[in-house]
Amino acid sequence: EPEVTQTPSHQVTQMGQEVILRCVPISNHLYFYWYRQILGQKVEFLVSFYNNEISEKSEIFDDQFSVERPDGSNFTLKIRSTKLEDSAMYFCASRPTTGSQETQYFGPGTRLLVL
Amino acid sequence: AQSVTQLGSHVSVSEGALVLLRCNYSSSVPPYLFWYVQYPNQGLQLLLKYTSAATLVKGINGFEAEFKKSETSFHLTKPSAHMSDAAEYFCAVSVPSARQLTFGSGTQLTVLP
Repeated sequence: EPEVTQTPSHQVTQMGQEVILRCVPISNHLYFYWYRQILGQKVEFLVSFYNNEISEKSEIFDDQFSVERPDGSNFTLKIRSTKLEDSAMYFCASRPTTGSQETQYFGPGTRLLVL
Repeated sequence: AQSVTQLGSHVSVSEGALVLLRCNYSSSVPPYLFWYVQYPNQGLQLLLKYTSAATLVKGINGFEAEFKKSETSFHLTKPSAHMSDAAEYFCAVSVPSARQLTFGSGTQLTVLP
């Protein structure tokens, strides 16, 4: 069964450093999402992406965040200058444009720790 | 804007007992509703979803949920808990015009032997 994959599974970085989190959505999906879950808190929407542009973003998704689809398979989340409060689990999700269009399929997540 | 409230951040049941996890939603338009499960150190797995078809929805692992518009609820149930059901459960809502998911705070289910 196709699934969303994410790399790396864990990332440790120093405050102020740039990180890039990578996702490979399910191959025939065209809508992509990033969510984050700070330890012990709820899962929060960051951004949605369709047709090579951001379709919606939350107030969390400020100028230090960016997303890109650099090729036909990868979808990336970049954090330019990480802060301690960026430590969280980051989930990528994708959904189809036909069939079960409302259903998002999640990757296993990247646990980011900012020191 | 949509919102979800999950009553009870922690629920404990005995193995074999009924599982009931509560979810209430708020939405100005007909919603889509979801339950996701998260096992330790894993991602979010879809358990079941409501998309305006049948109000009683059956999912994986013996779980089901009933959409009750009058009560704005979408509670998750399973007749008989199994040890392997221990996990965190998230209720989520979306609407056709804005398909990002809004999650509840989650309910940690513990199954006691």
